[in-house]
Amino acid sequence: GAGVSQSPRYKVTKRGQDVALRCDPISGHVSLYWYRQALGQGPEFLTYFNYEAQQDKSGLPNDRFSAERPEGSISTLTIQRTEQRDSAMYRCASSSLTGDGYTFGSGTRLTVV
Amino acid sequence: AQSVAQPEDQVNVAEGNPLTVKCTYSVSGNPYLFWYVQYPNRGLQFLLKYITGDNLVKGSYGFEAEFNKSQTSFHLKKPSALVSDSALYFCAVRDYNTGGFKTIFGAGTRLFVKA
Repeated sequence: GAGVSQSPRYKVTKRGQDVALRCDPISGHVSLYWYRQALGQGPEFLTYFNYEAQQDKSGLPNDRFSAERPEGSISTLTIQRTEQRDSAMYRCASSSLTGDGYTFGSGTRLTVV
Repeated sequence: AQSVAQPEDQVNVAEGNPLTVKCTYSVSGNPYLFWYVQYPNRGLQFLLKYITGDNLVKGSYGFEAEFNKSQTSFHLKKPSALVSDSALYFCAVRDYNTGGFKTIFGAGTRLFVKA
């Protein structure tokens, strides 16, 4: 697509439920990144993929968080047994393999109640 | 591990005056450096990058940044500020040698340009 598309834009879920956040990168971008951003703060690295391979998941906070990109295009970030502290804006970005600047999506605002 | 610091939470400047938003970084290898801008209720937009070559890089909207290896700095500059430049600015660094494509962002600096 023309830009990075994230869905849903907003997600309200009850504590303890699982959520899946979707990212559709720019066509042809082989690198895909997930970040979490608190209000007024900088994006916090979670994980990234080159093609379908997860290259670095050092930023995932704990084992409730996981991500996949099975066909090297669309990616899903899954949070199991959500907690209130998981509430944040989750941003996806993509780039070419040469590591150019990222193109970010509009993000998914997750609220855990 | 790479890190980036933006020492100012907020920068205030009058329209028409030059602006500088400061950034310092730490990497063990060669840095790739970036600036992004976030307007209210919008996503992050790429402004400019330094990979190699000329220490002064030019980007979108008339912004430029100067890479200074000895001071490990990458300050964002603009000769004449506009009210529309008011936004949140993020410096980011990637350690090309050791960090792969992982990019670390600073906490951000809020720029206010007063008419």
